[in-house]
Amino acid sequence: DTAVSQTPKYLVTQMGNDKSIKCEQNLGHDTMYWYKQDSKKFLKIMFSYNNKELIINETVPNRFSPKSPDKAHLNLHINSLELGDSAVYFCASSQKATNYGYTFGSGTRLTVV
Amino acid sequence: SQKIEQNSEALNIQEGKTATLTCNYTNYSPAYLQWYRQDPGRGPVFLLLIRENEKEKRKERLKVTFDTTLKQSLFHITASQPADSATYLCALDPRYGNNRLAFGKGNQVVVIP
Repeated sequence: DTAVSQTPKYLVTQMGNDKSIKCEQNLGHDTMYWYKQDSKKFLKIMFSYNNKELIINETVPNRFSPKSPDKAHLNLHINSLELGDSAVYFCASSQKATNYGYTFGSGTRLTVV
Repeated sequence: SQKIEQNSEALNIQEGKTATLTCNYTNYSPAYLQWYRQDPGRGPVFLLLIRENEKEKRKERLKVTFDTTLKQSLFHITASQPADSATYLCALDPRYGNNRLAFGKGNQVVVIP
């Protein structure tokens, strides 16, 4: 059973389109995240969400919006895609007060053409 | 500004030797520090967590030290094996607020048979 699953694994789309990436975790964790890993492999936090609180990294354009239908899901919507949005997007989850760190999904490689 | 620095050059090491990686940070007061492993095309995988009041943590062939005075963590892989070849990421969890893990750029390890 996959602990944190993302779909799709690959996404190729044209500039200006709107797309979504889905994420689900079956670990019962209370917090979920979206990270962006750029071409230089730098992993940067975009959002964190735990039940009621959404924390947004101030550098993330408002074209990006997370949507959480329930505690086990945190989807990422991107409007008006730009070339610079091309990257690998990772979903992750964690439980506070543990020694087990974050659990990451396998990533979604987004290519904007 | 806050920085997490890891060596950008790959570490090439002979099988059986100990690989040592360094993580230095500035303008952080982390409650704890984590290490992750990332293989190409995969998400980061949690390895170890060490708290600010712990000097050393071990897990099988892995050892992590944490010096809050030097603002540095060392990550050791003893008796290295070709299967240990990967990129290793250092991550800091801020002491206050947002519970958002910040990552270094990672350090690649290549274990030569």
